[in-house]
Amino acid sequence: AQSVTQLDSQVPVFEEAPVELRCNYSSSVSVYLFWYVQYPNQGLQLLLKYLSGSTLVKGINGFEAEFNKSQTSFHLRKPSVHISDTAEYFCAVSDKDFVTGNQFYFGTGTSLTVIP
Amino acid sequence: DSGVTQTPKHLITATGQRVTLRCSPRSGDLSVYWYQQSLDQGLQFLIQYYNGEERAKGNILERFSAQQFPDLHSELNLSSLELGDSALYFCASSRGRGREQYFGPGTRLTVT
Repeated sequence: AQSVTQLDSQVPVFEEAPVELRCNYSSSVSVYLFWYVQYPNQGLQLLLKYLSGSTLVKGINGFEAEFNKSQTSFHLRKPSVHISDTAEYFCAVSDKDFVTGNQFYFGTGTSLTVIP
Repeated sequence: DSGVTQTPKHLITATGQRVTLRCSPRSGDLSVYWYQQSLDQGLQFLIQYYNGEERAKGNILERFSAQQFPDLHSELNLSSLELGDSALYFCASSRGRGREQYFGPGTRLTVT
């Protein structure tokens, strides 16, 4: 089974500064990779996904992530954050070749706080 | 709007009671997942159904059960409720085969 590690539980950053939220997963088998965002009192919203192809993936709200197979990482980046980016961010991994059982694994989340 | 609907939005009930949470997946999605989210436990996977059949179980208590109906909507039944069951319950759906999940807005359950 996979495990997903989000190394930072909380990340404070000043408005208009760049940010990187880190995500590592355990297995190098074929995977799909995802980032979700959760605003207060809302459900999780898909931010971006890597299924195949280019390792640099662009998502909504100016976010992007890079798939690094050798380091089993999928870090999320934004060059300039806004107050509205304050939210919880979840990294998720799924096994492409699962046959049975749960194949979708979430990290524990990173709370991003943008400081004015 | 993800296309996944959940009812009710809020539910307040007493300990020992039983409740049913309902989820309608996005059109065309065959997989339904249930999650529990609380402050101390984070996001916990409970159970997955695919086209009416149970596919995977996570940290689901024996007091909890779920099913997926022929029209693909799903229900999560929580019985003998305890204070610790107070949480947000999310449903998500996907096309399956490890593809992205789309989440509903959640049901906030408060057990008093």
